[in-house]
Amino acid sequence: GESVGLHLPTLSVQEGDNSIINCAYSNSASDYFIWYKQESGKGPQFIIDIRSNMDKRQGQRVTVLLNKTVKHLSLQIAATQPGDSAVYFCAENTNTGGFKTIFGAGTRLFVKA
Amino acid sequence: DAGITQSPRHKVTETGTPVTLRCHQTENHRYMYWYRQDPGHGLRLIHYSYGVKDTDKGEVSDGYSVSRSKTEDFLLTLESATSSQTSVYFCAISAGGEETQYFGPGTRLLVL
Repeated sequence: GESVGLHLPTLSVQEGDNSIINCAYSNSASDYFIWYKQESGKGPQFIIDIRSNMDKRQGQRVTVLLNKTVKHLSLQIAATQPGDSAVYFCAENTNTGGFKTIFGAGTRLFVKA
Repeated sequence: DAGITQSPRHKVTETGTPVTLRCHQTENHRYMYWYRQDPGHGLRLIHYSYGVKDTDKGEVSDGYSVSRSKTEDFLLTLESATSSQTSVYFCAISAGGEETQYFGPGTRLLVL
């Protein structure tokens, strides 16, 4: 899940297992959501996106699920690999009082070999 | 990070000195953004640009100014750096205001 504290929540998984990273977004009027991956010392990298008229979207080894009823977004990574170790954060695009993108603080994924 | 470069990548400066960070893109995207990233916070928008010479403030714009004289370059200036501006700064670009943002590699700034 997301955190506004000083320490990011951490998810530790075994290599080969599936990972599920969660995000609670803030605005029910948000209509576009993105997941980013950020490796240490690098900029955020786009992974997958989903629009509010969908509840599921699949990419290569990744799936994003959107539950608008409870304002929840999740990222599933299949067969997690050591190279997946990074911070993952969600972003929501909203157009309330002006268009803006809101980024979550992120979850750190640690993959054990 | 393809198509987006930031310079310098690392900088150490002293309180009160001016600092300019540069973002350069080769994607011909209309929108460019400057964010700062600090522990415990998500990315926070400083300023953004929606075209040449068109800029607007973000949520943490105090102490920062920007300029965009051509499509490919977006400059962020700290007129008089303070220790609270120690951070990692990311530039991002997007084709449209509601399109996906793509990020540069970041600039790590330390203000002593």
